[in-house]
Amino acid sequence: QVQLQESGPGLVKPSETLSLTCNVSGYSISTGYYWGWIRQPPGKGLEWIGSKFHSGSTYYNPSLKSRVTISLHTSKNQFSLNLTSVTAADTAVYYCARGEGGSYWAFDYWGQGTLVTVPS
Amino acid sequence: SYELTQPHSVSVSPGQTASITCSGDKLGDKYVSWYQQTPGQSPVLVIYQDIKRRSGIFERFSGSNSGNTATLTISGTQAMDEGDYYCQAWDSSTVVFGGGTKLTVL
Repeated sequence: QVQLQESGPGLVKPSETLSLTCNVSGYSISTGYYWGWIRQPPGKGLEWIGSKFHSGSTYYNPSLKSRVTISLHTSKNQFSLNLTSVTAADTAVYYCARGEGGSYWAFDYWGQGTLVTVPS
Repeated sequence: SYELTQPHSVSVSPGQTASITCSGDKLGDKYVSWYQQTPGQSPVLVIYQDIKRRSGIFERFSGSNSGNTATLTISGTQAMDEGDYYCQAWDSSTVVFGGGTKLTVL
């Protein structure tokens, strides 16, 4: 069974870089699918951050593109998120997720989410 | 940028049919996925490619998509179906989520 688990600091200072890792078990990320991140500010809706295909194709939310990097670490079966120059507006629960991309998109496996707080 | 619009809330009586809409320009030309999120939990994929029910999802969940509107229909709604529902589509190399609909089973 595919499982995803986020890890990383729960508190990041303003202007610093938010770094999260998603550990994947039950499926090799080098085999296929898109691997990405979605966030949800407290009490609000879902916002896609970006996704990276196992072979390298990467898509980012245009509103975050200048600050986001998603990397795959195939030897560890992990992938990561770096979000630079954070502000209080980046406070959210961050989910990692596996995505089926191409003619349609659907995220079929999600991590349990990790809350990251950026104090104002 | 592309936008998906959902009603903020929908209420339904137990055993009745709930319909949650998702609107966007020429949405019928795109594939839509639907997610259910119960309080404190991660979203769960319910419907993909407009009408396909993910394995393990109850048959009372169905989807449709035509024109500018996609619809998630829950037949014989149960109390356990309460939660937030999000539609999602792909446009111009971007994943877009709707704002979410809170389903209340009264």
